[in-house]
Amino acid sequence: NAGVMQNPRHLVRRRGQEARLRCSPMKGHSHVYWYRQLPEEGLKFMVYLQKENIIDESGMPKERFSAEFPKEGPSILRIQQVVRGDSAAYFCASSPLGGGTGELFFGEGSRLTVL
Amino acid sequence: QQQVKQSPQSLIVQKGGIPIINCAYENTAFDYFPWYQQFPGKGPALLIAIRPDVSEKKEGRFTISFNKSAKQFSLHIMDSQPGDSATYFCAADGSNFGNEKLTFGTGTRLTIIP
Repeated sequence: NAGVMQNPRHLVRRRGQEARLRCSPMKGHSHVYWYRQLPEEGLKFMVYLQKENIIDESGMPKERFSAEFPKEGPSILRIQQVVRGDSAAYFCASSPLGGGTGELFFGEGSRLTVL
Repeated sequence: QQQVKQSPQSLIVQKGGIPIINCAYENTAFDYFPWYQQFPGKGPALLIAIRPDVSEKKEGRFTISFNKSAKQFSLHIMDSQPGDSATYFCAADGSNFGNEKLTFGTGTRLTIIP
């Protein structure tokens, strides 16, 4: 009965490198959300995906950031050419429904540090 | 209009006291108001949630009070314990939005001292 699984839990990158964060939703969940949490701040919505579709990416920076949720395998949040300001905790959440009727189940997060 | 404002930023309460955390919203389309609890190094976990058809909801020691006309809601923790020390986030969503894109408050770091 695994929950939302995220890896890696901690990631260190140098400026200009790429970061790839993975998220496997709870069994039976087909909706994935990515949130970013900056130090001492709340969670900011980034992107909402269903299998093979990006439904809402209004919170994701237009450049360097991309997300996917393929038919097979985990959802991936990709950050290209990382900068120091990308240092944050990135949380993935999943839900079985898409209609504002239930809770989000969060993973334990991936903490990115950019040197 | 999509913001949820949360206060205080931090709170220290003696064991057994009743910490109160407040949130306010603007968007009248919001109709689902959950509270999430986050321990250091962990992801947020749903604590309790309310819909605007009721003014209060209790689950164990946790109570949400909701004031629809004022567009405010608050979390009360009865008989608080040191194990309740965590960061608490209020959030809001609309059932007509077609997703679970929660809008979160900025969080309250709660410390319960023995």
